[in-house]
Amino acid sequence: NAGVTQTPKFQVLKTGQSMTLQCAQDMNHNSMYWYRQDPGMGLRLIYYSASEGTTDKGEVPNGYNVSRLNKREFSLRLESAAPSQTSVYFCASSDSGFGVHNTGELFFGEGSRLTVL
Amino acid sequence: AQKITQTQPGMFVQEKEAVTLDCTYDTSDQSYGLFWYKQPSSGEMIFLIYQGSYDEQNATEGRYSLNFQKARKSANLVISASQLGDSAMYFCAMRESFGGYQKVTFGIGTKLQVIP
Repeated sequence: NAGVTQTPKFQVLKTGQSMTLQCAQDMNHNSMYWYRQDPGMGLRLIYYSASEGTTDKGEVPNGYNVSRLNKREFSLRLESAAPSQTSVYFCASSDSGFGVHNTGELFFGEGSRLTVL
Repeated sequence: AQKITQTQPGMFVQEKEAVTLDCTYDTSDQSYGLFWYKQPSSGEMIFLIYQGSYDEQNATEGRYSLNFQKARKSANLVISASQLGDSAMYFCAMRESFGGYQKVTFGIGTKLQVIP
């Protein structure tokens, strides 16, 4: 049971380098999310995608771009990495809708630890 | 304004005792959902419990219960009979809908330590 898979799990970048975090889910979920987690800040939403072909900014979108490649995949790109982007990044997915039997629970990947020097 | 407020950065509880983790939220939506997630030191996010805004009964899942007070906009997590394995970060989160889209916002978390 793969669930949500994100790669890479660890990455060290130099300031100014670019990289893409990949995320894929196999649960046929419509909604996908990228969060960053920093000590004392909780999880902050970077971008989300309600469905294939749509993306929207979250709380902290600056310095990031996303692509919803298809229903399964949602990637996060850092075009020019900065030390302030050192963080743990989580991808998540959920079923959409507010049905009685649908909680919209988020399923998370294992996280990607990014260090920008 | 913060969407989700968790005012307890850290909590201690004696093993086998009950503990309440506080969460208040802010939304103008009528239909929303509230979650609690656990994050142990290993880093994974574990779903614990869900409460829908229209649910009349407080949600329960084993030793976890959610004390939902809609008028006060609070959704406190109660853990009964604490175990050493409950030591972790706990996050409260809220799901809102915006014209068919949904967004989930998290609080900053509470670090719970269970003392033997």
